[in-house]
Amino acid sequence: GNSVTQMEGPVTLSEEAFLTINCTYTATGYPSLFWYVQYPGEGLQLLLKATKADDKGSNKGFEATYRKETTSFHLEKGSVQVSDSAVYFCALKEGGSEKLVFGKGTKLTVNP
Amino acid sequence: DTAVSQTPKYLVTQMGNDKSIKCEQNLGHDTMYWYKQDSKKFLKIMFSYNNKELIINETVPNRFSPKSPDKAHLNLHINSLELGDSAVYFCASSRGQTSNTGELFFGEGSRLTVL
Repeated sequence: GNSVTQMEGPVTLSEEAFLTINCTYTATGYPSLFWYVQYPGEGLQLLLKATKADDKGSNKGFEATYRKETTSFHLEKGSVQVSDSAVYFCALKEGGSEKLVFGKGTKLTVNP
Repeated sequence: DTAVSQTPKYLVTQMGNDKSIKCEQNLGHDTMYWYKQDSKKFLKIMFSYNNKELIINETVPNRFSPKSPDKAHLNLHINSLELGDSAVYFCASSRGQTSNTGELFFGEGSRLTVL
């Protein structure tokens, strides 16, 4: 079945540090890939997405590139801020399916 | 205006009780979902409805019964609550099946604590 594996957290960084959160996936077809973010006390919201190989999703300084050869969709940001502290979820959706499959989430804490 | 709203936000109850969580979306979406998030933040789909019709039913105890009176509402009723039901339950919605880009809009969650 389809699955998403994210790096174990928690991740703690200082402000302006470089962020990478690894995500790899297993899918039978060619899924769309997503990063969702959950700020404390809130529901998840879409951060960025990519629908085909070599696509790069980007938003709010975050980027992720759909790498079919390594089945990966790693999240990166060049300079994190305290306001980026949240839980980040990698997810996939197979074409023709309504189901979004989430990874286990990675908690990021950014200290001033 | 809140796009996806759930009530109640917090629910504390005893084992064996029956409780309901309500969800409403004002986005005009055709598809709604219930997800369960456990204490380790793991998020798992439970149910999905498209235009009041059940389309996803994961392996969930039949104590859990979703009901969709119309496409803007999806309620979750839980019978005979158990300790392991303690979690945050998220409602979400998305555009219909033919135009579903995978973007889900989530409510703020309903934290259920079973004592």
